[in-house]
Amino acid sequence: EVQLVQSGAEVKKPGESLRIPCKGSGYSFTSYWISWVRQMPGKGLEWMGRIDPSDSYTDYSPSFQGHVTISIDKSISTAYLQWSSLKASDTAMYYCARLGDGYSLVDYWGQGTLVTVSS
Amino acid sequence: QSVLTQPPSASGTPGQRVTISCSGSSSNIGTNFVYWYQQLPGTAPKLLIYRNNQRPSGVPDRFSGSKSGTSASLAISGLRSEDEADYYCAAWDDSLRGFVAFGGGTKLTVL
Repeated sequence: EVQLVQSGAEVKKPGESLRIPCKGSGYSFTSYWISWVRQMPGKGLEWMGRIDPSDSYTDYSPSFQGHVTISIDKSISTAYLQWSSLKASDTAMYYCARLGDGYSLVDYWGQGTLVTVSS
Repeated sequence: QSVLTQPPSASGTPGQRVTISCSGSSSNIGTNFVYWYQQLPGTAPKLLIYRNNQRPSGVPDRFSGSKSGTSASLAISGLRSEDEADYYCAAWDDSLRGFVAFGGGTKLTVL
């Protein structure tokens, strides 16, 4: 069974750093791209970017380029989303999601990690 | 402002058929497959329709998708109370490498 397991909720202060994980299991981790999607409170889904676990090649949405970093540790089948300096506007639910075969979109989603940034 | 345009809300009574539209452009829906996701309250999204009109195993055949030109639709027949959820369309957008366009989401209410 394909699973993407994310960590629990985080509460941080503005300016702090954070890295949230997404562990894949039940499939060949390096064969499928991983993406990250943001959902702000009461709002819709926003594409942040994707990473190829086989070589760490990454694409970012212009809206998130330079503000977040997507990375991979394929030795432990885990993708990460990282901030070096959080803002209150980063408060949101963050989902990792697997992209399907070929040029397919998301076929499996993680359960989400809620990040709250507040002073 | 989402790249794909969906109505913010839709509603129907049990047993009815409802449709949700998704409008895009030549760089996304016009040239790529459309996907639909269902997000039940308080949960992660789930794949509902892939490649315009294909259902993953486990998705009831009450759900169907179609695409024409730069628009797509999701139809739900025999509406049930458990279908009350947010629905999102999505497609690759060729205007930017590796960019996925999402619709703003449609909240479906079962009256």
